[in-house]
Amino acid sequence: DAGVTQSPTHLIKTRGQHVTLRCSPISGHKSVSWYQQVLGQGPQFIFQYYEKEERGRGNFPDRFSARQFPNYSSELNVNALLLGDSALYLCASSRQGISNQPQHFGDGTRLSIL
Amino acid sequence: QQQVKQSPQSLIVQKGGISIINCAYENTAFDYFPWYQQFPGKGPALLIAIRPDVSEKKEGRFTISFNKSAKQFSLHIMDSQPGDSATYFCAASSNQAGTALIFGKGTTLSVSS
Repeated sequence: DAGVTQSPTHLIKTRGQHVTLRCSPISGHKSVSWYQQVLGQGPQFIFQYYEKEERGRGNFPDRFSARQFPNYSSELNVNALLLGDSALYLCASSRQGISNQPQHFGDGTRLSIL
Repeated sequence: QQQVKQSPQSLIVQKGGISIINCAYENTAFDYFPWYQQFPGKGPALLIAIRPDVSEKKEGRFTISFNKSAKQFSLHIMDSQPGDSATYFCAASSNQAGTALIFGKGTTLSVSS
């Protein structure tokens, strides 16, 4: 079975631009969560979606938004990019919309802001 | 209360030795404690997880020890191998909808041959 897939794998943008990152969960998983991982740190929670509804939001500005589609895939959008947005963006999927269940991560999108 | 504190930051172990990584938490609502292994250029991979109703869980060479009263848990890697060289993250979460995995800052393990 395919794992969590994310696209693109790498992306270079300049300050002020907008970016869209995509995630396909493991088949049968209905929940998708997004995390930001800066170099040398653990992942930080951005959003959780379950059955196309936002279930949780981390401490990130409104420039960050996301949505989940009927096939349970998801997009993360970031507007007005800042240098500090440079990070690895990870998507994790799980069967249910609660966090104390196994969450499986994709390999992420490496976003670099120039 | 949301923090998970992980130590050490880095660890060097000889091949065949035991690697031990420790984590501590404050939030007593946490009821799920996974460990993730991350190689450079890859996402975190779920290694092993434990819930507070047991004090130890073993899967192959990997063991989690859990001390509920001390609010601490640890990962033991027995017979450490060079292929185990990676960054390890502990995490914690609760069953409250919309909450997230809270990660430690990670431990970089190097197993020397």
